[in-house]
Amino acid sequence: DQQVKQNSPSLSVQEGRISILNCDYTNSMFDYFLWYKKYPAEGPTFLISISSIKDKNEDGRFTVFLNKSAKHLSLHIVPSQPGDSAVYFCAAFRGNQFYFGTGTSLTVIP
Amino acid sequence: NAGVTQTPKFRVLKTGQSMTLLCAQDMNHEYMYWYRQDPGMGLRLIHYSVGEGTTAKGEVPDGYNVSRLKKQNFLLGLESAAPSQTSVYFCASSPGQSKSLAKNIQYFGAGTRLSVL
Repeated sequence: DQQVKQNSPSLSVQEGRISILNCDYTNSMFDYFLWYKKYPAEGPTFLISISSIKDKNEDGRFTVFLNKSAKHLSLHIVPSQPGDSAVYFCAAFRGNQFYFGTGTSLTVIP
Repeated sequence: NAGVTQTPKFRVLKTGQSMTLLCAQDMNHEYMYWYRQDPGMGLRLIHYSVGEGTTAKGEVPDGYNVSRLKKQNFLLGLESAAPSQTSVYFCASSPGQSKSLAKNIQYFGAGTRLSVL
């Protein structure tokens, strides 16, 4: 059973606008959450993370929001750039294991 | 600085053949992981290791074996390949479990694309 879900397989956004990627999870015991970015023919690379005791973490153009009551997190990219076009994976960590969502393919249109 | 290196990058097997995927990391990380990525399924953990000489099962371990004889290497073996094992395989490493979030970030290799006919 998928413990981390990304219900939007794809998203298209105009350059300069905001991109919002969403992720839902079922296990309230996760310790922290991460977002990874993946380009074709490459492995995922770490983007940003948030501890389960926080509700927001910001790093440059990237901000992750955590809503524990709704078991929902989101990644905001502002402003979006063509180089942000990639697949974004949400992941959750507990114990020694990471649990990944199915990914959202973001296309930023110039 | 190579990071995490996977070999081979591509492989085609016939049903019943065996093969070993090699993962090497040069960051002195304690933890290593093997994942498979399938369309619509995300990344699923096959096996992982929390240190040299240790291995543990992940979410989808059946049909695979692993070994961590050296800290820098993590091998994934398929003893008798099946078409259901056609997938892209990713290896990852992380410094180790810690209350520090930074120590638990995974670094991934570029992947191995395996087709079993």
